[in-house]
Amino acid sequence: GENVEQHPSTLSVQEGDSAVIKCTYSDSASNYFPWYKQELGKRPQLIIDIRSNVGEKKDQRIAVTLNKTAKHFSLHITETQPEDSAVYFCAASIWGSARQLTFGSGTQLTVLP
Amino acid sequence: EPEVTQTPSHQVTQMGQEVILRCVPISNHLYFYWYRQILGQKVEFLVSFYNNEISEKSEIFDDQFSVERPDGSNFTLKIRSTKLEDSAMYFCASSGYGASRETQYFGPGTRLLVL
Repeated sequence: GENVEQHPSTLSVQEGDSAVIKCTYSDSASNYFPWYKQELGKRPQLIIDIRSNVGEKKDQRIAVTLNKTAKHFSLHITETQPEDSAVYFCAASIWGSARQLTFGSGTQLTVLP
Repeated sequence: EPEVTQTPSHQVTQMGQEVILRCVPISNHLYFYWYRQILGQKVEFLVSFYNNEISEKSEIFDDQFSVERPDGSNFTLKIRSTKLEDSAMYFCASSGYGASRETQYFGPGTRLLVL
């Protein structure tokens, strides 16, 4: 089955700096890659997703890039703010079949004021 | 904006007891899922459900687990005989249809503690 590796496990940045979180996946059939943000004790919330027919997607301060050949994808957050502090999970799935999400192990992002 | 809801928010039970976790998916969604998250660990898939039957299940979803959609709105996860290692946060999720059916929206979770 699919295996998703995520790093780093923790990341501290100064407010205003950029943060990058990286994930790799093992199953070449995976073609849908969402990112979830989870604040302490709360539900995972979808922040951005990308399908394998595109290489990059942006939404304001958040962007995701995908390299299908290398089987890795990354989350980029620019101009970080304290409210960006949370655990971020990447995931992989097969688009179009409503199948299970396989999650990475999470990155605890701390934005220091 | 519609959200997935779950009840109860917390449940404490004795080992060996049965528990039922309840979820109300987003109303026009067709696909339903259960995930669990042991404290401090990643979210793990348990089962997916579509058209009144299980679509996929993981190795975690053994014979002590079952799912049901007893009416048009609720989606339940039953654990027949709880074990200490079942202690976790259980998330329900749902997704729609067509081009957005892979986008899963999560409920707030039920924290289950087995003593």
